[in-house]
Amino acid sequence: DVKVTQSSRYLVKRTGEKVFLECVQDMDHENMFWYRQDPGLGLRLIYFSYDVKMKEKGDIPEGYSVSREKKERFSLILESASTNQTSMYLCASSFRDRDHQPQHFGDGTRLSIL
Amino acid sequence: AQSVTQLGSHVSVSEGALVLLRCNYSSSVPPYLFWYVQYPNQGLQLLLKYTSAATLVKGINGFEAEFKKSETSFHLTKPSAHMSDAAEYFCAVSYSGNTGKLIFGQGTTLQVKP
Repeated sequence: DVKVTQSSRYLVKRTGEKVFLECVQDMDHENMFWYRQDPGLGLRLIYFSYDVKMKEKGDIPEGYSVSREKKERFSLILESASTNQTSMYLCASSFRDRDHQPQHFGDGTRLSIL
Repeated sequence: AQSVTQLGSHVSVSEGALVLLRCNYSSSVPPYLFWYVQYPNQGLQLLLKYTSAATLVKGINGFEAEFKKSETSFHLTKPSAHMSDAAEYFCAVSYSGNTGKLIFGQGTTLQVKP
């Protein structure tokens, strides 16, 4: 069965901290994505990676960075956390343009910045 | 810019009633279309996808959707709602050459009343 695993379900951090959110997939997918989900706004793409060490900005990259050193792992980094980054963060993965295969999602990390 | 609109952020039906969740996309180029469901405190799960093979697509849990090019719509239906269908539903589109990225609608919360 396909699996996307996010390292934490709930996380509480303080403003100014550097925060790492980790995502691992076991499906050998080329693409990996980070989204944030806020009520009434749906899912907004933060960053996207289509290969190891490759990354592309999404719609709302400000205040975030990413790292993809291995194919199965995609990390989201909040360089200096702020309260407006309190949100649900979702990781997803998919094959790269293979008949438009769907994205597979992790269970999400609910991040609170105090 | 391409976009997806889900009409109605909240839909309420009685158990056993018809479920109709609306989705319209904005593009002259036929996209690939997806419906996802999100249960509380979980990630998104694929319900069904349209990839041009047939205009009526059947998915899991008794849901189906019909692609109507003339109306640029991909509405999700289920003949008889069940209490377990209460969740948030997202419509999403992708386009050829878009490297697997999805554009999501804002989501519709389905409430099922006993």
